[in-house]
Amino acid sequence: EAGVAQSPRYKIIEKRQSVAFWCNPISGHATLYWYQQILGQGPKLLIQFQNNGVVDDSQLPKDRFSAERLKGVDSTLKIQPAKLEDSAVYLCASSLEGLTLHFGNGTRLTVT
Amino acid sequence: AQSVTQLGSHVSVSEGALVLLRCNYSSSVPPYLFWYVQYPNQGLQLLLKYTTGATLVKGINGFEAEFKKSETSFHLTKPSAHMSDAAEYFCVVSDMRDNDMRFGAGTRLTVKP
Repeated sequence: EAGVAQSPRYKIIEKRQSVAFWCNPISGHATLYWYQQILGQGPKLLIQFQNNGVVDDSQLPKDRFSAERLKGVDSTLKIQPAKLEDSAVYLCASSLEGLTLHFGNGTRLTVT
Repeated sequence: AQSVTQLGSHVSVSEGALVLLRCNYSSSVPPYLFWYVQYPNQGLQLLLKYTTGATLVKGINGFEAEFKKSETSFHLTKPSAHMSDAAEYFCVVSDMRDNDMRFGAGTRLTVKP
């Protein structure tokens, strides 16, 4: 089966600019997660979708981050405006049964 | 909300030695527990998981972990380390009600020849 697809792989932007990341989960996976992994730290859950509804976004900085999952399939994570501390790898994962996470390769964001 | 603490950000062992990576969790409800591994330049992948039933779970590549409710622990072990085990290991706790997956800070395992 095809894995979780993410794009772009790398992105460099200046602070105060906006950026968007895209994720296509494994077909049929109802649950989709976005994680932020800062260098040297474990992944931090930003938002969890069940189909196209939000289950948990308690750690999403809503003043600058937004995410949507239209039609319960693809998802987009946006940052506007970006700050230096947003430099990280943004990981998308999907799950069929809500137990095993299947991760994409991530998007490495550098904010200068 | 649930959380997980991994004791030791770096662990170094000799090839053939026992691997022990420590994980303690906090959860107000019975947890689901996982270990994920991230090999250099690769994505995260599941090593093993505990949901219900047998408290000793076996995973890929000879790893196993034991759920100890009384100690709120889920330590990862492997009897004999291989060079290929060098990686970052993450302990994960999930709330069975909504599958909210929370990662620990990770432990980097180095294997010396």
